[in-house]
Amino acid sequence: GDSVTQMEGPVTLSEEAFLTINCTYTATGYPSLFWYVQYPGEGLQLLLKATKADDKGSNKGFEATYRKETTSFHLEKGSVQVSDSAVYFCALRSAYSGAGSYQLTFGKGTKLSVIP
Amino acid sequence: SQTIHQWPATLVQPVGSPLSLECTVEGTSNPNLYWYRQAAGRGLQLLFYSVGIGQISSEVPQNLSASRPQDRQFILSSKKLLLSDSGFYLCASGTAISIFGSGTRLTVV
Repeated sequence: GDSVTQMEGPVTLSEEAFLTINCTYTATGYPSLFWYVQYPGEGLQLLLKATKADDKGSNKGFEATYRKETTSFHLEKGSVQVSDSAVYFCALRSAYSGAGSYQLTFGKGTKLSVIP
Repeated sequence: SQTIHQWPATLVQPVGSPLSLECTVEGTSNPNLYWYRQAAGRGLQLLFYSVGIGQISSEVPQNLSASRPQDRQFILSSKKLLLSDSGFYLCASGTAISIFGSGTRLTVV
C-alpha cells in the first residue's frame, strides 16, 4: 500500500537558518503530494502541493519539488522565522479513482522549533 | 469558502465511558468526509470516510464507529473507550484538497 516516510524530529534551528525536511513516498502510479502544517493548538493547514512529476509547490517561502525518480518531496525554506515553528506533515493522495480515493496517507510529522 | 467545525477541543474520559465527537462542514454540499487519528509517536491514520449520508467506510478495525446523519455532519462514536483510543482526532473534508478541522485531543484515563 501507499506510505510516506518523513525525517524524524524534532528539528531545532536558529532564526534565518536554512530548513530541509526530507520526505519520501511509496505509491503506485503518480500520486499527488502535499505538505501540511499544524501550528500549536490548531488543525492542519495545506502549505503546498504538487500534482505531477517535476512540479514545484511553493507558499510562504517554502518550496518542495515532486521528484519521481527519487520518489521524494523534500520541504525547504531558505530562511526560517520563529513563526514557522510548527509540525509539518508530508502526505500523498493516490492516483487511482474510486470511492474514498481522496483519502490522504500521511507521514508521522516533523516538529520544527525556531529559536531567536 | 469551506469551514470545518469540530468539538470539543480537548476531552478527558475514563476507560469504559462512551464517546461522541461531532464534525460539521460549512460552505459546501455533499462533501467527502474523513476521520483521522494521530496516536502518540505515529502519523495520521485514516479511520473512516463517507461519500454521502448514511455511507460509511472503515479503514481499520477498532473500537470506534462513525455515522453521517446529515449531509454536512459526521460523528465519531464509541460505546466503551479503551486506553488505546487516546489520541488527536481530526475531521477532514474535500476531494482535490482536504480541509481539516482544528482537532480534538482525547485522553482516556
